[in-house]
Amino acid sequence: GQNIDQPTEMTATEGAIVQINCTYQTSGFNGLFWYQQHAGEAPTFLSYNVLDGLEEKGRFSSFLSRSKGYSYLLLKELQMKDSASYLCAVRDSNNAGNMLTFGGGTRLMVKP
Amino acid sequence: DAGVTQSPTHLIKTRGQQVTLRCSPISGHKSVSWYQQVLGQGPQFIFQYYEKEERGRGNFPDRFSARQFPNYSSELNVNALLLGDSALYLCASSLGGGEFFGPGTRLTVL
Repeated sequence: GQNIDQPTEMTATEGAIVQINCTYQTSGFNGLFWYQQHAGEAPTFLSYNVLDGLEEKGRFSSFLSRSKGYSYLLLKELQMKDSASYLCAVRDSNNAGNMLTFGGGTRLMVKP
Repeated sequence: DAGVTQSPTHLIKTRGQQVTLRCSPISGHKSVSWYQQVLGQGPQFIFQYYEKEERGRGNFPDRFSARQFPNYSSELNVNALLLGDSALYLCASSLGGGEFFGPGTRLTVL
């Protein structure tokens, strides 16, 4: 099976940088995804890591270390609209298809 | 291009009833997955279909069933509804990479 852990809640200030960590245990790692989900809405895709290292996309970056079973999502120049839940999800190569296992999500509150 | 679409948006049912939720994937996507998201938790995988065949099933009871049609759209059926089935039901489609989610169907069981 899989086990994915991420903090339940985080608070940060507008304009600042925040790092959301995710640790995972899986028998056949085949990619890690980060999604953003605003209250009452569907998750929207942010990033995908399958190899070790940092993937940068505008204000958002995601890092992966497969040997440590660890990833983080880095949000720079925080804006109020970044207040949302951030979901870490892992794809397991032992499963047929592309099904994802999600962590519980990290609720980020951005304050003025 | 249209994204993943789902219907209905909201649904209210009573215990013991049956419900059918519908999903149309992004054009060209042949894989459709269903997830259940209870308030305050991450989505949980229910089913995945590819080319009309079931490719994966999560840890859900047999009351949950699904199918995929030749046009790659999909239906999720839940029988004998329980209060605990109240959740946001998400459909996602994929071309082999990440999953792209639809807006979801909010099911409330009274």
